[in-house]
Amino acid sequence: AQKITQTQPGMFVQEKEAVTLDCTYDTSDPSYGLFWYKQPSSGEMIFLIYQGSYDQQNATEGRYSLNFQKARKSANLVISASQLGDSAMYFCAMREGPPGGGNKLTFGTGTQLKVEL
Amino acid sequence: NAGVTQTPKFRVLKTGQSMTLLCAQDMNHEYMYWYRQDPGMGLRLIHYSVGEGTTAKGEVPDGYNVSRLKKQNFLLGLESAAPSQTSVYFCASRPWNTEAFFGQGTRLTVV
Repeated sequence: AQKITQTQPGMFVQEKEAVTLDCTYDTSDPSYGLFWYKQPSSGEMIFLIYQGSYDQQNATEGRYSLNFQKARKSANLVISASQLGDSAMYFCAMREGPPGGGNKLTFGTGTQLKVEL
Repeated sequence: NAGVTQTPKFRVLKTGQSMTLLCAQDMNHEYMYWYRQDPGMGLRLIHYSVGEGTTAKGEVPDGYNVSRLKKQNFLLGLESAAPSQTSVYFCASRPWNTEAFFGQGTRLTVV
């Protein structure tokens, strides 16, 4: 079974609009962490945002926020006020286990986002 | 501060040749990872290490070996390269409590 599922291979959004990229996860471990990374066409992996399973509030980092719904096992990334530079591949990832003991970092298949004028 | 450095950045191998990819990090991180990235498949974990002298298998370990003799280095070896190993390889490292930091990737083509 897939640990991380990203069901949107590609998404389009108009500049200045908000967009939500979906991510669902599967784990039986009560302690885990969820990450989002951005990969522009240049290829590097850029960390965006992190959510711990015990965090009470949704994580936010500038224009990025993580809509964490624990019961539904979803961790969607919301990008507000999209910019042309947001066009990239976006990956959701999960660390199972506590910060000091979780070893594997598993990635989804990614969502290709294109921001249009 | 160089972060995570992968060597080489590009390589073309003939089927059956061997090679070693080097990942070096200067952040004193405990955990290190090797992934391969293929179109439509995201990043798949090959092998990882939770500390110096330790290694463990990931999702797709067959055809690869790894070693972590020094904390700062994580080596990925291909003993007998196959065309199916054509991919972009990423190394990552992380400390115990934050996100992973990635190298710039190695584009490997096996012909």
